[in-house]
Parts: sequence; structure tokens; C-alpha cells
Amino acid sequence: NAGVMQNPRHLVRRRGQEARLRCSPMKGHSHVYWYRQLPEEGLKFMVYLQKENIIDESGMPKERFSAEFPKEGPSILRIQQVVRGDSAAYFCASSLNGGRSSYEQYFGPGTRLTVT
Amino acid sequence: AQTVTQSQPEMSVQEAETVTLSCTYDTSENNYYLFWYKQPPSRQMILVIRQEAYKQQNATENRFSVNFQKAAKSFSLKISDSQLGDTAMYFCAFIPYNNNDMRFGAGTRLTVKP
Repeated sequence: NAGVMQNPRHLVRRRGQEARLRCSPMKGHSHVYWYRQLPEEGLKFMVYLQKENIIDESGMPKERFSAEFPKEGPSILRIQQVVRGDSAAYFCASSLNGGRSSYEQYFGPGTRLTVT
Repeated sequence: AQTVTQSQPEMSVQEAETVTLSCTYDTSENNYYLFWYKQPPSRQMILVIRQEAYKQQNATENRFSVNFQKAAKSFSLKISDSQLGDTAMYFCAFIPYNNNDMRFGAGTRLTVKP
């Protein structure tokens, strides 16, 4: 049973370009969470999605960042017009159910974004 | 606000010895989960141990155990018989019931010395 998959593992973008990060949840999981880890810090929650719905985006920056989880295919975290401050590791986690089962989050290996 | 504090940025321990990592948290919730995650240089987040707040018994997983003090809002991790492979960043995390937002501390960098 494959775990949470994220790709690419490393992504380099120049300032002003777009970054697209992909997350395939564990088989059977329909709940996806995105976290950002800045250097020397813990993970910080960004957004929680179910299939075709954004449930909680309280941690997402108001501009340039968006997320989706379509009916088919992986969840996508999109960062437009990247700036150096976006350089971080972005982790995706998935869970079988939400609500009371949101604590059972399985993490992917992360995508390290570097903005030059 | 719900926060998680790890007051030890770095710690070291000799191989085969025991080390305790500290974590405190702040919440008004009564029901929640607490976690310790290990992040080795590969950056993969690995769940070490989980504690449910309504359980008074401290969780144990092989060489890893916790000291959960609910009234004091303290959740320390004890690693016994430390091994070189335990070298990693360790993050304490917290999530209330029926919540999606897992909160993490800033981490403790543990080095196990041969």
C-alpha cells in the first residue's frame, strides 16, 4: 500500500515564476492537508481539502497561493509569482476521514521549493 | 490561541543512554491528541508516538515513552537506550478533536553521539 506521494521532491523556481506542487494521498484517503515548513521551524498548517472542496484555508496566504483537490488526480498546491520568502519545504498529509479522524494524518516526503 | 512550545532547540546524548525532550502546549480544549514526530535528514515526517488526552496512561512504543501531565499541559518524550539512528529533529504536535489544524512546536535537534 503506497504511502502519500509528493512530486517533485525538489523544485527550483526563479522569482516571478509559478510553482505547482502535487500530492497523491494514500489509497482510499479523501482528505488532504498541506503544511509549510520554513527553515529551522515546525510545520504550519495551510489548507485542508476534501475531494472537490476546500474545507479550511485559514493558514493560506491571501494572495498568490491556491489549492485544489479534483475528483480525479492529485491535490495541487499552486504558488503564483513566487518570491524568495516562499522557499520552504511543503508537506502534504492525508487521512481516511476528516472530523474526529483528522488526527490520523499520514505525511508525504515533502517538496523542497527553492526560489532563486 | 493554541500553541506548542519546545524549549530545547538542541540536545545531545551518548549512545545507549536516556534522553528526555520537553514539550508544553496551551489550549482551552479538553479533548485532543498529542504527537511526537521524528524528522531525519531525509526530511520525512515519521510518527514516533501518539497520546490521547482522555487516557491517563502514558503511551509507550518500544524505546519511546511519554510523560503526559494534562493539568500542567506537558508532554515530554523519553528515549531509552539511544541509538545513532535516533539522530534527528523531533517535533511535538497537537490537534484538538474535530479539528483539522495540527499545531507543531519549533522542534528539538537531537544528536546521538557514539
